[in-house]
Amino acid sequence: QSALTQPASVSGSPGQSITISCTGSSSDMSGYNYVSWYQQHPGKAPKLMIYDVINRPSGVSNRFSGSKSGNTVSLTISGLQAEDEADYYCSSYTSSSTWVFGGGTKLTVL
Amino acid sequence: QVQLQESGPGLVKPSQTLSLTCSVSGGSISSNDYYWGWIRQHPGKGLEWIGYIYYSGSTYYNPSLKSRVIISVDTSKNQFSLKLSSVTAADTAVYYCARVTVIHWYFDLWGRGTLVTVSS
Repeated sequence: QSALTQPASVSGSPGQSITISCTGSSSDMSGYNYVSWYQQHPGKAPKLMIYDVINRPSGVSNRFSGSKSGNTVSLTISGLQAEDEADYYCSSYTSSSTWVFGGGTKLTVL
Repeated sequence: QVQLQESGPGLVKPSQTLSLTCSVSGGSISSNDYYWGWIRQHPGKGLEWIGYIYYSGSTYYNPSLKSRVIISVDTSKNQFSLKLSSVTAADTAVYYCARVTVIHWYFDLWGRGTLVTVSS
């Protein structure tokens, strides 16, 4: 069980779109079915943003979307806003009934 | 609404056992729909899953921590607990408790987290 791979940082200007990728083995990512994304502001607990790769919980802005292509799962944030500046983590429930997290991506809104 | 709150000592001596409790309010820990988990975050680092438990007592642990971790549940108090033995400075972290949905396997609710420092 190894950590999922995310870029260390991404940046974008207000109004732009950015995409954060997350890759891992098929076994770590349970066939890529149970991947979720979390937003974490400094000093705060993580907040669920996307679950089951593409689903958005009630209350999360529709500017956040998830997708999958091959062995890469992605989080896209459109219409970037200053409040989106945070750390983002992907996570997956694995075929071994455990969890694995990505190393995290720091999003900077320029 | 359901809330989670971690509690326990903020300072633990090396080689001792770290003990934390997560109190669940506004809902029952005995729900069939959820597991209850622990995640930690080393200072300035990413998230690390520790383990989770079902109200029946079934547990799953991170293989890298399994030899030192025990997670238990007290349904009468609506609480679940974490014990991590033989701690070192490397166990200094913010510890979060979280709720896991059974079918979709994501952490939908988190406690605020509690910083535990391992130091003599």
